[in-house]
Amino acid sequence: KQEVTQIPAALSVPEGENLVLNCSFTDSAIYNLQWFRQDPGKGLTSLLLIQSSQREQTSGRLNASLDKSSGRSTLYIAASQPGDSATYLCAVPPGANNLFFGTGTRLTVIP
Amino acid sequence: SQTIHQWPATLVQPVGSPLSLECTVEGTSNPNLYWYRQAAGRGLQLLFYSVGIGQISSEVPQNLSASRPQDRQFILSSKKLLLSDSGFYLCAWSDLYPTTDTQYFGPGTRLTVL
Repeated sequence: KQEVTQIPAALSVPEGENLVLNCSFTDSAIYNLQWFRQDPGKGLTSLLLIQSSQREQTSGRLNASLDKSSGRSTLYIAASQPGDSATYLCAVPPGANNLFFGTGTRLTVIP
Repeated sequence: SQTIHQWPATLVQPVGSPLSLECTVEGTSNPNLYWYRQAAGRGLQLLFYSVGIGQISSEVPQNLSASRPQDRQFILSSKKLLLSDSGFYLCAWSDLYPTTDTQYFGPGTRLTVL
């Protein structure tokens, strides 16, 4: 059974810092990996999706990398802002119709 | 553009009462639809998914049920709520081939069972 782990569980950084969030998965036979953010009490917002054939994806200040062989993905956030404060979740599909989610990293960017 | 709606946004219900949460998607046809639950302090758990009208698959045994009466409408129900049903319920949709595509989530419904 696929297990998805995110480290750290919580992270606080001062505004302007670059930071890296980590996601690891036990079964490397994945189709893709998706990163989401969740604001308190709200739904999920999709940030990036990396196909299994890709090494990385970029969107604005976000860059996600994928290393299937080692079962790892990282989400890099450049020049962090207070508006980046949220819980970040990674998810992988174990099959055709669902996702396995990590427990998330709660990020706080301090002004 | 596609949008996904959920209501109600929050709900407080007594134990043993019925439940009906609704999710609708606009701007797409034949979406795959999903219900997830996020219990306090836990990750997201898939409850149900649907690949078409009247086609529902359940991922975990529970006292909840789901129905898809229309192509873009997904309903989560219960006849008698339990305390353990409290949580944040998220509806999501994706295109026909979810193994290669993104899942998009609604705003969620926070359910408190007292």
